[in-house]
Amino acid sequence: EPEVTQTPSHQVTQMGQEVILRCVPISNHLYFYWYRQILGQKVEFLVSFYNNEISEKSEIFDDQFSVERPDGSNFTLKIRSTKLEDSAMYFCASSEGQGGRQYFGPGTRLLVL
Amino acid sequence: GDSVTQMEGPVTLSEEAFLTINCTYTATGYPSLFWYVQYPGEGLQLLLKATKADDKGSNKGFEATYRKETTSFHLEKGSVQVSDSAVYFCALRIASGTYKYIFGTGTRLKVLA
Repeated sequence: EPEVTQTPSHQVTQMGQEVILRCVPISNHLYFYWYRQILGQKVEFLVSFYNNEISEKSEIFDDQFSVERPDGSNFTLKIRSTKLEDSAMYFCASSEGQGGRQYFGPGTRLLVL
Repeated sequence: GDSVTQMEGPVTLSEEAFLTINCTYTATGYPSLFWYVQYPGEGLQLLLKATKADDKGSNKGFEATYRKETTSFHLEKGSVQVSDSAVYFCALRIASGTYKYIFGTGTRLKVLA
């Protein structure tokens, strides 16, 4: 089965630092997503991305967050100035079509100290 | 708003016991319903899905039936194994701006030999 990959698997950072989480979606997929899961809580939608634009974002996705597809294969989530409450598992997902199955990556566990 | 409620965990069962994890949802329209499984240290994997009322999703011995009248999508398995120990997430997919998933809080299942 095709896979979405994410790097790094774990990242520890100091509060106020910038972090970039990287994802490689499945190659023929056109729609990309980020979700996060704070420890012990539910998985929450952050943002969807298509055709080099944000399609939709949740209220969590404030000005500290940005997404980019810098080349033909990577999809990144940047947090400009991390806060303690940004500590979570961040999942990337991709789908071939708008309503298609979303394939999730293994996640990046971010810890902000 | 749209939401998913699933039973609190952890659920601890002996091997070969019958499993039910309850899931109910609130949504406008006709969402698709999913169960995802997260094994320790891994990402979210699709377990099964149902796209319309009365559909039954099944995979690896797990089943769930989309019940519109009770807005439920309970997960069942007749005989659990130690290898089924994981966190199970119920989710719905809605088309609101873009397709996105709304997840429940997850139910941890522990199966004892």
